[in-house]
Amino acid sequence: LAKTTQPISMDSYEGQEVNITCSHNNIATNDYITWYQQFPSQGPRFIIQGYKTKVTNEVASLFIPADRKSSTLSLPRVSLSDTAVYYCLVGDVGTTDSWGKLQFGAGTQVVVTP
Amino acid sequence: NAGVTQTPKFQVLKTGQSMTLQCAQDMNHNSMYWYRQDPGMGLRLIYYSASEGTTDKGEVPNGYNVSRLNKREFSLRLESAAPSQTSVYFCASTRPDNHLEETQYFGPGTRLLVL
Repeated sequence: LAKTTQPISMDSYEGQEVNITCSHNNIATNDYITWYQQFPSQGPRFIIQGYKTKVTNEVASLFIPADRKSSTLSLPRVSLSDTAVYYCLVGDVGTTDSWGKLQFGAGTQVVVTP
Repeated sequence: NAGVTQTPKFQVLKTGQSMTLQCAQDMNHNSMYWYRQDPGMGLRLIYYSASEGTTDKGEVPNGYNVSRLNKREFSLRLESAAPSQTSVYFCASTRPDNHLEETQYFGPGTRLLVL
């Protein structure tokens, strides 16, 4: 399983762009990069998933360089409601077993202030 | 759609008591999971089920049993609760056969305190 490393915490002001980088040096060929968001007292919520290059949805963008040894989650123009813990998970997501093997680390606590 | 629902939301148990945490999903997902989350930590997988009638152990299965009652429901049972099982328990579901379109959905969690 690919081990991931991400910052413990990040602070930002409203309206700024937040970029969280996750390192995963031993990512395997079949592995995807998946990011979750978790608000206090709630279950994690899937944000975005990618394999290579760039993926964008209505919530965030995910940048993955050619070597795939890291990835960056970009949250554009954050608001107070984006204060949450963000988890980077790396692994195959093609089967039940593989989803279950995705490991949640401690995540990155993002705090957005006015 | 309600998504993934869990009951109860909160529970206090005494050491040695038993209880069952209930989880249901209405998204017609095949796969369901139970996780626990301890303070300041990420989630750890307890058990999962690929389909009705099948269950498999995850990372931390000791002290728990599960039942996949039907496609919708996946319950977690603590036969003899211990203080070390004080945690927040999350149920999740997914349909992993097309990862490009499907995601994993989590329930709101059950907060369990074992005295």
